[in-house]
Amino acid sequence: EAQVTQNPRYLITVTGKKLTVTCSQNMNHEYMSWYRQDPGLGLRQIYYSMNVEVTDKGDVPEGYKVSRKEKRNFPLILESPSPNQTSLYFCASSWVGLAEYNEQFFGPGTRLTVL
Amino acid sequence: AQTVTQSQPEMSVQEAETVTLSCTYDTSESDYYLFWYKQPPSRQMILVIRQEAYKQQNATENRFSVNFQKAAKSFSLKISDSQLGDAAMYFCAYRKDTGRRALTFGSGTRLQVQP
Repeated sequence: EAQVTQNPRYLITVTGKKLTVTCSQNMNHEYMSWYRQDPGLGLRQIYYSMNVEVTDKGDVPEGYKVSRKEKRNFPLILESPSPNQTSLYFCASSWVGLAEYNEQFFGPGTRLTVL
Repeated sequence: AQTVTQSQPEMSVQEAETVTLSCTYDTSESDYYLFWYKQPPSRQMILVIRQEAYKQQNATENRFSVNFQKAAKSFSLKISDSQLGDAAMYFCAYRKDTGRRALTFGSGTRLQVQP
């Protein structure tokens, strides 16, 4: 089954404790992205990657890191989480190329709480 | 920067009736894509319908259709024959044809379906 998976689905942590949220897709997509969803704000892009070893900042990158060592994986790293990073996080992926096929497929979301 | 506005935080519709959700956007681009996503209580982001800006014909997917007014920068979603399973948050989203492919989301409309 074609899908984007994220782990963990739920995470409660404390301020300053490094964490990683994994994202993996099995569709051979070049493009991957991370979004955060906050009430009343919709989803906002954190980081994106156009292909392996190519990453760039989105709209709200502060406090986050990413890496793209393999095509299928795009982990989100919070090196020193703070309470304002409490949010719902989504990973998404898509092909790059003909625009008609650029639909972004979303993972199931990760609910992160930073105390 | 592009912005997407959904002015209806909540809407309610009777089962089997028709409801229209509003969305306006601001952009200086001529080529772009517009989307409606559904987010049920499971939090999964589900693509409902998409519209390419260069197409004059309004997109339709079964009971879902859009009214795309490019000059007015308006992109409303019509749900016909509403069903209980349509109850969800609905997000309007915009994406440029080029660049980092970030989806810009509106703040969402919560749709309730009354039996």
